[in-house]
Amino acid sequence: AQSVTQLDSHVSVSEGTPVLLRCNYSSSYSPSLFWYVQHPNKGLQLLLKYTSAATLVKGINGFEAEFKKSETSFHLTKPSAHMSDAAEYFCVVRHNTNAGKSTFGDGTTLTVKP
Amino acid sequence: DGGITQSPKYLFRKEGQNVTLSCEQNLNHDAMYWYRQDPGQGLRLIYYSQIVNDFQKGDIAEGYSVSREKKESFPLTVTSAQKNPTAFYLCASSSSWAAGPQETQYFGPGTRLLVL
Repeated sequence: AQSVTQLDSHVSVSEGTPVLLRCNYSSSYSPSLFWYVQHPNKGLQLLLKYTSAATLVKGINGFEAEFKKSETSFHLTKPSAHMSDAAEYFCVVRHNTNAGKSTFGDGTTLTVKP
Repeated sequence: DGGITQSPKYLFRKEGQNVTLSCEQNLNHDAMYWYRQDPGQGLRLIYYSQIVNDFQKGDIAEGYSVSREKKESFPLTVTSAQKNPTAFYLCASSSSWAAGPQETQYFGPGTRLLVL
């Protein structure tokens, strides 16, 4: 079985300060992990993905995430928040035995204050 | 311009009525998916299709039906048996189910279904 927990339902930061969105996963097998962003009333856009290559993954818009197997974590970070980063973020896990089936976290809403 | 389109953007359903949500993709993807999103929750899988003329139930298939007669199209019908249909519905696709878990899913813009 696989599961994913986003540890914060809401995160608020000031513009220009670092962003940290936390994600822990559970998977019996080597997982693939994804972060998606969703702006209000829009579809999901892929930010980045981990697929057992480099553990530090760089994505779009300055985001990156580090896969830590020992901690079963895949936290999303950005050095400096921009107002346009305000959105909902989803952590997603998939594994080899059920390749096409994704398990989504409940989402983290990021608010960026001016 | 490749992508996934969903229509309509907003849909209103009357009591006892069946409604159909459209999903079309021009990415030449084999696999397609339907998800339901409720406020404060992640996405839940309704149905998926690995290839044309095949589809499987997801985690919350009751009250929904699908068809996959063409590779590019995967319509979802919300039947009168679905007692709580108000939600945001997202369609997605990926190049191949069998390609492995690293395959990226691409999402459409969504349809918001409201009950009158």
